[in-house]
Amino acid sequence: ETGVTQSPTHLIKTRGQQVTLRCSSQSGHNTVSWYQQALGQGPQFIFQYYREEENGRGNFPPRFSGLQFPNYSSELNVNALELDDSALYLCASSPEPSQETQYFGPGTRLLVL
Amino acid sequence: AQTVTQSQPEMSVQEAETVTLSCTYDTSENNYYLFWYKQPPSRQMILVIRQEAYKQQNATENRFSVNFQKAAKSFSLKISDSQLGDTAMYFCAFMKLWGAQKLVFGQGTRLTINP
Repeated sequence: ETGVTQSPTHLIKTRGQQVTLRCSSQSGHNTVSWYQQALGQGPQFIFQYYREEENGRGNFPPRFSGLQFPNYSSELNVNALELDDSALYLCASSPEPSQETQYFGPGTRLLVL
Repeated sequence: AQTVTQSQPEMSVQEAETVTLSCTYDTSENNYYLFWYKQPPSRQMILVIRQEAYKQQNATENRFSVNFQKAAKSFSLKISDSQLGDTAMYFCAFMKLWGAQKLVFGQGTRLTINP
């Protein structure tokens, strides 16, 4: 059984640019959640996708957007990058939204200069 | 809104000792889930243990156990016979039973197991 994978592992961008992060969910999982973890902090919920539809969103501006594809993989897009967007971005998958346990990928470390 | 508080930024114990990590939370919900996740330097968040609020019995997973006090909104993690591989950041997290299934995390406790 393949776990949750994310790409790339590291990324450096400059302020104002756009970035796309990718996540492949664990086999059999149709729900993907994205979290932002600033250095020294706990992860913060960005949004969740279930069967290609957004299923809940945290307190993040509209320049954070996402997609889920028919194979349940997902993308996180961030436009107009700001310095404070520098963080570890974690993707987590679960079999259904009601399944409480989320399984995390290794994350993408984004640095905005 | 739910909040999760971990009041111990760092802890350090000797190998084979027992250590307890504290967590308190605030919610108006009656049914919910609580979790402890471990994040080693490799960054991957790993589930350690899960507790359903409607269950009175405390969850256990091998060397890991919790002390769940629903009225006090307290959820501590006990690690027995600690091992070097237990060195990591530990996060307490809350999830509502209904609505968007988002995890609300505490700030984390950095645990170091010394040889």
